This record gives sequence, C-alpha cells and structure tokens, in this order.
Amino acid sequence: NAGVTQTPKFRVLKTGQSMTLLCAQDMNHEYMYWYRQDPGMGLRLIHYSVGEGTTAKGEVPDGYNVSRLKKQNFLLGLESAAPSQTSVYFCASSLRTEQYFGPGTRLLVL
Amino acid sequence: QQQVKQSPQSLIVQKGGISIINCAYENTAFDYFPWYQQFPGKGPALLIAIRPDVSEKKEGRFTISFNKSAKQFSLHIMDSQPGDSATYFCAAKGQETSGSRLTFGEGTQLTVNP
Repeated sequence: NAGVTQTPKFRVLKTGQSMTLLCAQDMNHEYMYWYRQDPGMGLRLIHYSVGEGTTAKGEVPDGYNVSRLKKQNFLLGLESAAPSQTSVYFCASSLRTEQYFGPGTRLLVL
Repeated sequence: QQQVKQSPQSLIVQKGGISIINCAYENTAFDYFPWYQQFPGKGPALLIAIRPDVSEKKEGRFTISFNKSAKQFSLHIMDSQPGDSATYFCAAKGQETSGSRLTFGEGTQLTVNP
C-alpha cells in the first residue's frame, strides 16, 4: 500500500497563476483533509471531506477550493495564487481518529 | 484563534535526558488528544494518543500525562535519543466534530544532542 500520496512535490508559481494539488489514498478512508503548515503556526485545516462528493470549510479556506469526485482522491485548487499562499501543503486521510499524512507539497508563490 | 497552545517552541536536550512538551486547551468538549511526530521533509505521523478518562498513557519511552481539571496535557520522552530529533505537534478532537477534525498546536522542534 502506498498510503497517502501527493503530487507535485514542489512547485513555483507566479502571483495570479492557478494550480491543482492532487492527493490520493489507497486505504479506503472516508475522511480526507488538506492542511497548510507554516513556521510557528502548526497545521491549519483548509478544507476537509467526510465522503465522496462532500466537502466542507476548515479554519483557513479563503483562496482555496476543493473537490472529491472519487473516494480515493481529494484535489486542492488555487485559482489565483498569492504570495501569502507560499507554504507546505499536507493531505491526510482518516478512517476514524488517526490521520495518515502524505509527504507534502512545497509551494512557492512569487 | 488557536484553541490548543503548545510550548516550548523549541527544545534542546542531551542524549539520555528527558524531553517535556506541554499543551493547554480551552474547549472542554475535546475527547481525544494525540501527539504527532514529524521528521524533516516528511508528513506528520501519529506517535501516541490519550482519551480524557485516563491520566497517563505510556508506550515505550513516550508518555502522555493528562490533567483534565487544568485542561493540560504533556508529552514526556524518556532517555531521549538523537533519532528523536523532530517536530512534535499536540492536537485535540471535539466530541461532536464532523469528520474527526483535529486542532493542532503550534509545534515544538526538538533537538537531541549526542
């Protein structure tokens, strides 16, 4: 089992560009999450999903959109990237309480 | 607004020493308190977790102490090793939280010197 995988691993964007981060899990988990990690701020929840076709806002949703068309995939979109979105993005999935994290995507917005 | 406060931000201990990281929470409806460990370039991974019906949980060299009345919990790493050098996050989950969402602390960067 690959667990939780994320693509790409690293990306540089210019302000105003758009991109999609892909998360995939092969553990048949219902719950999936997108976090951003910034120094001194821990992990902050952007959006999450409790099942295929459902999404909900987390703590810091502004500037991001998500979709969960298939149970195993959770996509995070940035429609118009801003320098404030420079961060490391983590996807996670969960069956009940334990969350399994992917390796992260490092995003730099210039 | 951070509902889980973690301290210290960074910690340096000598090999064989005890590492202690503290967390405080506000929401009395939290019912699950995990600690996650993150190595550089990797995603966080569950280390140990506790529920509020017990005051202590031990797994090997790692112990969680939980004080419900003070709304505090801490991670103790006994006989700390250089391989324990990582960032540690405490977290908490509410009883009625949709999707088992976690609220994370700010993180503590632990360095264990050989």
